[in-house]
Amino acid sequence: DVVMTQSPLSLPVTLGQPASISCRSSQSLLHSDGYTYLNWFQQRPGQSPRRLIYKVSNRDSGVPDRFSGSGSGTDFTLKISRVEAEDVGVYYCMQGTHWPPAFGGGTKVEIK
Amino acid sequence: QVHLVQSGAEVKKPGASVKVSCKASGYTFTSYYMHWVRQAPGQGLEWMGIINPSGDRTSYTQKFQGRVTMTRDTSTSTVYMELSSLRSEDTAVYYCARSRWGYSLGGDYWGQGTLVTVSS
Repeated sequence: DVVMTQSPLSLPVTLGQPASISCRSSQSLLHSDGYTYLNWFQQRPGQSPRRLIYKVSNRDSGVPDRFSGSGSGTDFTLKISRVEAEDVGVYYCMQGTHWPPAFGGGTKVEIK
Repeated sequence: QVHLVQSGAEVKKPGASVKVSCKASGYTFTSYYMHWVRQAPGQGLEWMGIINPSGDRTSYTQKFQGRVTMTRDTSTSTVYMELSSLRSEDTAVYYCARSRWGYSLGGDYWGQGTLVTVSS
């Protein structure tokens, strides 16, 4: 099975400053159909997860443009250009290229 | 708008079974897959399995194979996840999440979660 590894585990950020989360997979996530199925989810405290980004860099409807995703192969990044208070929560990457789908362990974003 | 409303919290004894429901509204139920994902207290997300739009095909991760059954009732737009032979490690919040194209993109809408507590 593909293993997803996120870093850091915890990310204290000053409001208005950028934040970056890394996600690495144990195998390439490039599918034979040419797409890379790496998705990002946000889970605010006490809430259900919400998908932010799909296929590496496509933002879901309603997701602020301060969120961006990038990467290829086995190495991916979620960036928040300027952290706002509502961004506090845990962020998970998830691969959907190989069976079974798998989530990373999560990165907790908190305000300094 | 899209809503996935799950059944209420459950407390079960070890060895028992639990059946969690997820009632969908606001979209064409028969056009979407449904995933089930669980989250143990203070832990990360764990993907369990998926049921196809017509309900005639399911895929479960090896960890849950033999213990989980996912079904759907198109007449009530409801999906069910039944987990048997419960043990304390199954204590978790269980989420349903829909997707249009199988498991690859994850779920774009999620239910509110159902807490299942397994305790003697």
